[in-house]
Amino acid sequence: DADVTQTPRNRITKTGKRIMLECSQTKGHDRMYWYRQDPGLGLRLIYYSFDVKDINKGEISDGYSVSRQAQAKFSLSLESAIPNQTALYFCATSGDGHTGELFFGEGSRLTVL
Amino acid sequence: QKEVEQDPGPLSVPEGAIVSLNCTYSNSAFQYFMWYRQYSRKGPELLMYTYSSGNKEDGRFTAQVDKSSKYISLFIRDSQPSDSATYLCAIPNTGGFKTIFGAGTRLFVKA
Repeated sequence: DADVTQTPRNRITKTGKRIMLECSQTKGHDRMYWYRQDPGLGLRLIYYSFDVKDINKGEISDGYSVSRQAQAKFSLSLESAIPNQTALYFCATSGDGHTGELFFGEGSRLTVL
Repeated sequence: QKEVEQDPGPLSVPEGAIVSLNCTYSNSAFQYFMWYRQYSRKGPELLMYTYSSGNKEDGRFTAQVDKSSKYISLFIRDSQPSDSATYLCAIPNTGGFKTIFGAGTRLFVKA
């Protein structure tokens, strides 16, 4: 089984719908992240969490919210999806080392029509 | 100016070629410099990293950092079709909890 698991892997939805992307990890890491990947823009940080009680906004948090249900679970919600949120979303974890090496899930491809 | 700049390519080379992938960055305080490799339909995985200036070699891969010019490079010797992937340079902030990524360069190695 993968160390970082994302569900769903693919989702097509309509404008205005609420969407939740879920992430679970078996790495035992405290730090968890949600990134968005768009062609030509690389990976951009949406939210990150140091532990269940510590959640922080990244560079593009508008239109998104997160919930850290447990050390191993971190979900991303789009309250009212819009077409420019069509992207590939990645959950990642890291330990507390200086390099911040990230361990990624396989991604959730979201299409908003 | 973006904190980390990387040409998205694509870059197409014949098998056996030497590949050079590059990024520039703006913050002189950065200390760790990472390269992630992402295969199609997969998440990125750390390929290698360097600390401060200098070179680091791992098999056919060499990572190089020139802090004076804020320039980082990844060289691939004897490139193989299996090296076809997107390569992302990435730089963590102090404390390693916020990593900034370049756009990623898509590499194709033709047999």
